[in-house]
Amino acid sequence: DAGVIQSPRHEVTEMGQEVTLRCKPISGHNSLFWYRQTMMRGLELLIYFNNNVPIDDSGMPEDRFSAKMPNASFSTLKIQPSEPRDSAVYFCASSLGPNEKLFFGSGTQLSVL
Amino acid sequence: DQQVKQNSPSLSVQEGRISILNCDYTNSMFDYFLWYKKYPAEGPTFLISISSIKDKNEDGRFTVFLNKSAKHLSLHIVPSQPGDSAVYFCAATAGTYKYIFGTGTRLKVLA
Repeated sequence: DAGVIQSPRHEVTEMGQEVTLRCKPISGHNSLFWYRQTMMRGLELLIYFNNNVPIDDSGMPEDRFSAKMPNASFSTLKIQPSEPRDSAVYFCASSLGPNEKLFFGSGTQLSVL
Repeated sequence: DQQVKQNSPSLSVQEGRISILNCDYTNSMFDYFLWYKKYPAEGPTFLISISSIKDKNEDGRFTVFLNKSAKHLSLHIVPSQPGDSAVYFCAATAGTYKYIFGTGTRLKVLA
């Protein structure tokens, strides 16, 4: 059981660059979530997919953020252009269903200089 | 507006003693509560949960208490061990996919 796999573990980029974060959920899990962790807000839900369909993207902070789930085993979170205030840890999580407990990946530490 | 609040950013406890982590919420529609534990450079992992129809749930050294009238829950760890040193997040949901997390409490168990 590989768990939720995220890549890269660390990303350092310059302001204005495009950043793409990747996630492979646990096989058989129908729900996928992207969270962002900051000191001030804790873990914030950015977007939720169910059966590969985006259900709720109300947490996506701006149009600079976009997420896709082309199939059941892969999702991306893209920031274009990136800004220093986007620096945070981004977590992907999956679950068997919408009300089941979440399994988190190890996160991507993003630093935008 | 934080619907789930963990007002203590950090807590230090001696090994063998009880650790009590607190969490307050504002939304009376929340009906399911969870605690997650997070080690550095890892994602949060599920620890224990409680439904609003209960006021206590126990799993080994971990017990969660829910006080609905006060909109307060707490996690008790007895006895505390150095391996329990981590950040603990409480989370709540109103029967949907939307888990609202607190900002976390960093627990340090001193040997």
